[in-house]
Amino acid sequence: AAGVIQSPRHLIKEKRETATLKCYPIPRHDTVYWYQQGPGQDPQFLISFYEKMQSDKGSIPDRFSAQQFSDYHSELNMSSLELGDSALYFCATSDGSRSYEQYFGPGTRLTVT
Amino acid sequence: AQTVTQSQPEMSVQEAETVTLSCTYDTSESDYYLFWYKQPPSRQMILVIRQEAYKQQNATENRFSVNFQKAAKSFSLKISDSQLGDAAMYFCAYRTGTQGGSEKLVFGKGTKLTVNP
Repeated sequence: AAGVIQSPRHLIKEKRETATLKCYPIPRHDTVYWYQQGPGQDPQFLISFYEKMQSDKGSIPDRFSAQQFSDYHSELNMSSLELGDSALYFCATSDGSRSYEQYFGPGTRLTVT
Repeated sequence: AQTVTQSQPEMSVQEAETVTLSCTYDTSESDYYLFWYKQPPSRQMILVIRQEAYKQQNATENRFSVNFQKAAKSFSLKISDSQLGDAAMYFCAYRTGTQGGSEKLVFGKGTKLTVNP
């Protein structure tokens, strides 16, 4: 079965640079969630989209922005990167109208040096 | 705001034995969902088991079962016949069931499970 795809899987950036993380949902999934997991921590919700509209917002820094496109893939844009942004970024998707389960992608490991 | 508490940072079990991981949560809602996720060293988040709050029957998935006590707001995970591949970080998570409410998952801090051969 098709799974959630995230790219890139690993990303190394320097401070003050920008990064773009991409998420491709399971076919027919219309809802995307972004989570950030710091080292030794639990995942923290950043932002979500349903049918290309932002549906909820968590503890996402103003330096970050995200959107969902017409094909339902989503991108998380991160600017002015800081050392503390180093984390594993998960995308999870669901069929918002039919299921409460969220299926996680493999994550993008971002390292800021 | 909902909170999830896992009071056991680390647990260990002998292979083939049974272990129970604890989770409590705080909410004023009556409709919600609870999950256990497994995160092995690969860091992939794998759904282990789910429970709808409106269901009284405890969920079971093969060697994994839960003890859901709604009144006590407790949701423990029992792993029977533990296998080496069960070694991982386990996260308990909560999601509202309220229509129009935030559908984000709220996670506990996790329990690191070690399985000894």
